[in-house]
Parts: sequence; C-alpha cells; structure tokens
Amino acid sequence: NAGVTQTPKFQVLKTGQSMTLQCAQDMNHNSMYWYRQDPGMGLRLIYYSASEGTTDKGEVPNGYNVSRLNKREFSLRLESAAPSQTSVYFCASTQGTSGDTQYFGPGTRLTVL
Amino acid sequence: AQSVTQLDSQVPVFEEAPVELRCNYSSSVSVYLFWYVQYPNQGLQLLLKYLSGSTLVKGINGFEAEFNKSQTSFHLRKPSVHISDTAEYFCAVSQRGSARQLTFGSGTQLTVLP
Repeated sequence: NAGVTQTPKFQVLKTGQSMTLQCAQDMNHNSMYWYRQDPGMGLRLIYYSASEGTTDKGEVPNGYNVSRLNKREFSLRLESAAPSQTSVYFCASTQGTSGDTQYFGPGTRLTVL
Repeated sequence: AQSVTQLDSQVPVFEEAPVELRCNYSSSVSVYLFWYVQYPNQGLQLLLKYLSGSTLVKGINGFEAEFNKSQTSFHLRKPSVHISDTAEYFCAVSQRGSARQLTFGSGTQLTVLP
C-alpha cells in the first residue's frame, strides 16, 4: 500500500521555467490538497479538491494552477516559476468527511534560481 | 476564520525528561484538533486528534494531548521522551461540519538531547 506518492522528489528550476508536480493516492480518497512548507510558517494550503471534478483556492494560490485528473491524481503546475516559490511542496489526501485524518506524501523540494 | 499559535518554535529537552508542546487556537465555531509529527525529510503523519468526548486524547508513541475549551488550548505531552522523538510537531485545527481544510500552526522543533 503506497499511500500518497509525489514526483519528483527534488527539482531545480530557473526563474520563468514551468513545471508540474505530480501526486497520486491509492486509498480511494475523495479530497486532495497541495501545501507548501516554508521555515517558521508551518504548512499553507495552495489549492484543494474536495471531490473529483472540483478544485478550490486555498490560502496562497497565486502563481499556481491545479488539475484533478481523476480520483487518484492531483497535479500542481507552476507556469512561470519565481524564487519566492522555492519551498517544499506536500500533497495530502483524506476521505473528506468531518474529522478525517489527512495523509501526506513525502514532499517535493523545489528550488527556483 | 481560524488560527493556530504554537508558542514555542524550539524545545530542547534531555532524554527521559517530560515534555509539553503548547498549542492555542482561535475559532468562532466548534473545531476538531490535531497534532501531526514530521521526521526529518519526511511528510507529516498523524499523532492524535480530538473530535469529541473525553478531553484527554492518547496517540501513538506515548503522546497525549488535552483539549481545554475555556483556554482554547490543545497542549501535547509525553512523560518521558526518547532520542527518536526528535522531530517537528504541528498543531492543526479544522472546523466542525466543514472539516476538509486544516489550518496549521508554525511548528515546534523538539530536540531530544542525550
């Protein structure tokens, strides 16, 4: 049982380049999330998908887009990377009912030069 | 809107000593409360959560937390820590009835010293 998987694990981009972070879960969860983690700031929600076919903005959506490709997969795209997007990105999933535990992937460490 | 404050960014403690990591929250509605742990270079995993019922919640690895509604706190405790407890700990809150989103605190780095 793999849980939540993320690719790639590490990535270095130049300012202005684009890339897509991939996330997949095998727990048949309805809801999926993208967070970024910066030192001293905890985790901040970028986008989430409450169910297949829906996406909503979180706390820090600017500069990002998402796609809920199917129930398993939720991707995060940076169209034109900026140094301020240097961060560790985590994907998470949950069944989606009240009080559910969120299950996290191992993270993607992104550096934008 | 809701918010979470973790009062200590770093907590050093000697092995086998007790530890308390403090968490206060603010919300205009009833909430669920969570503690997650992040070991170096890993994702977060759930330690424990409070949904309802007994205000003392027991989690994995000997941790427990107490929900105090009047003080809007959810402090995490362990009576005797081990080197392997060295990690970052995050308190989080979600609203009852709309529990799809978590709001995280800024984290507390627990370092257990030999």
